[in-house]
Amino acid sequence: DARVTQTPRDKVTEMGQEVTMRCQPILGHNTVFWYRQTMMQGLELLAYFRNRAPLDDSGMPKDRFSAEMPDATLATLKIQPSEPRDSAVYFCASGLVIGLAGVPLYNEQFFGPGTRLTVL
Amino acid sequence: AQKITQTQPGMFVQEKEAVTLDCTYDTSDQSYGLFWYKQPSSGEMIFLIYQGSYDEQNATEGRYSLNFQKARKSANLVISASQLGDSAMYFCAMREGDTGRRALTFGSGTRLQVQP
Repeated sequence: DARVTQTPRDKVTEMGQEVTMRCQPILGHNTVFWYRQTMMQGLELLAYFRNRAPLDDSGMPKDRFSAEMPDATLATLKIQPSEPRDSAVYFCASGLVIGLAGVPLYNEQFFGPGTRLTVL
Repeated sequence: AQKITQTQPGMFVQEKEAVTLDCTYDTSDQSYGLFWYKQPSSGEMIFLIYQGSYDEQNATEGRYSLNFQKARKSANLVISASQLGDSAMYFCAMREGDTGRRALTFGSGTRLQVQP
């Protein structure tokens, strides 16, 4: 049963510390997304990758957030330095985009269980 | 302007009854996709159903169906024969365009409570 995995599931840290969240997409998927969910803002896109290349990270505060895919089996989201307002659940999702001339034949995104981050 | 609008913050339904969760969307793209996700209290996001803008038939997945009215830009989720386990937050989402931006834009969600 293929699933997106995320680690850690829960993270409590102090303001100013570096936080690294990891995601293992489903094997064979070629797109990876990072979302953040808060009570106030709901679900927001932070960044997404296709074939490991970042295509859109406009939703991410560039001064403290960075997202990378060092290889096809690992995506990372780092916050440095962390702030209390970063407290949220961070979801990773992966998907497979295939088709001719960009017309998608497959559209589902699979979400990981999320990382609940609390910055004190 | 909101891309995805879910006007029902909360809904109640009796067990075994059908319920419709509303979703309207706004896009100028001709090709787009509409999704519904369920988020139970445990927090994970569960994909329920997908409708492509060119699909002529309404999508169905078991007890879930999507009432797609393209001219009205609505994509309502219909859950038939509600079960207690259907109690959760439900999010409507849209993916715009064939290429380029392919991430999802989410609505604010509807909390469904199924009563015995």
